[in-house]
Amino acid sequence: DTGVSQDPRHKITKRGQNVTFRCDPISEHNRLYWYRQTLGQGPEFLTYFQNEAQLEKSRLLSDRFSAERPKGSFSTLEIQRTEQGDSAMYLCASSFGGLDQPQHFGDGTRLSIL
Amino acid sequence: GEDVEQSLFLSVREGDSSVINCTYTDSSSTYLYWYKQEPGAGLQLLTYIFSNMDMKQDQRLTVLLNKKDKHLSLRIADTQTGDSAIYFCAESIMGTYKYIFGTGTRLKVLA
Repeated sequence: DTGVSQDPRHKITKRGQNVTFRCDPISEHNRLYWYRQTLGQGPEFLTYFQNEAQLEKSRLLSDRFSAERPKGSFSTLEIQRTEQGDSAMYLCASSFGGLDQPQHFGDGTRLSIL
Repeated sequence: GEDVEQSLFLSVREGDSSVINCTYTDSSSTYLYWYKQEPGAGLQLLTYIFSNMDMKQDQRLTVLLNKKDKHLSLRIADTQTGDSAIYFCAESIMGTYKYIFGTGTRLKVLA
């Protein structure tokens, strides 16, 4: 049973550039989540998908952020026109079934904005 | 509102028990979780408890939940140096799949 896989592990980019991260959930997990974690803080919820449908979005997810899960399997998170404040660890998690099933996290993508 | 609080640091000697505490504000919490994060890594699920339970034990881990006081604790028996990490408490709120995390407790185990 492979875990949640995220790519890349690290991304360094200049302010104003666009970046895209990929998440592959645990096989057969129908729910997929994105969180953001800044230094010294706990993860903050961004958005989640049930299959291909994006069902909830945090107000943290500004217009520059977009997430997709086109076929209900892997997901991408894109940030356009990156800003210094976007520097963080972006964590993906997945779960199967209902609320009684916990979320399992990947190792994250660390984004650094120069 | 939704808020989860944890103390920032805990230091224990190898072989002792560690107790990490967490308080939360939302009375509609359904499940409460403990995750472990090592440097540069993601979150590893340790254990979780349904909100109508008082206690759950899993090998060296014991979770206690006081729903009246909205207080959750994680006890690690016979703490080892490999237990050094940041521990996050999280709650899920009824009607939503998002988790609310605390700021984490950094556990340092002294040899």
